Amino acid sequence: EAGVTQSPTHLIKTRGQQATLRCSPISGHTSVYWYQQALGLGLQFLLWYDEGEERNRGNFPPRFSGRQFPNYSSELNVNALELEDSALYLCASSLTPDYFGTEAFFGQGTRLTVV
Amino acid sequence: KQEVTQIPAALSVPEGENLVLNCSFTDSAIYNLQWFRQDPGKGLTSLLLIQSSQREQTSGRLNASLDKSSGRSTLYIAASQPGDSATYLCAVPYSGSARQLTFGSGTQLTVLP
Repeated sequence: EAGVTQSPTHLIKTRGQQATLRCSPISGHTSVYWYQQALGLGLQFLLWYDEGEERNRGNFPPRFSGRQFPNYSSELNVNALELEDSALYLCASSLTPDYFGTEAFFGQGTRLTVV
Repeated sequence: KQEVTQIPAALSVPEGENLVLNCSFTDSAIYNLQWFRQDPGKGLTSLLLIQSSQREQTSGRLNASLDKSSGRSTLYIAASQPGDSATYLCAVPYSGSARQLTFGSGTQLTVLP
């Protein structure tokens, strides 16, 4: 069974440009989460989508946005790129969480470099 | 606000040694706790998930325990191998209706041959 897949693996953009990152969840998973891991900082939660809707958002500016498609894949868009947006962006998927929570599975990440 | 702390930040041990990694969290109202492994520049690999009703979970040479009342979890690695070298992260769901994970800063483990 395929795991969580992310594309592209690496992305180099110029400051001010837009970046689009993509994520395909494990088959049957309806929840997709995006996290940012910047150098020297821990994993920071960005966005959570479930059943096509945004369920929660981390403490990031509005230029970080995304969506979830009917097939549950997801896109993360970062507008007006800044140098500090350079980071590893990780996508995770899970079944829709119930009272007991659910196990999250991560992709290999997209390394975004802003120059 | 949930806060997760991991100590030590780094650990270096000789091959074959048994070791314990520690994780503490401030809000005991958690649904579960998950341990991950991250190799440099790579994504996270799920190692163990402990539900809030469980006290222990085992997978091969790994054993994780959970004490909700004290806000602590430990990851025990038996007979460590150089291939175990990685950063180990623990994570808990944030709070309330939110389901995203709050991560500790990780323990960087080096197992020397």
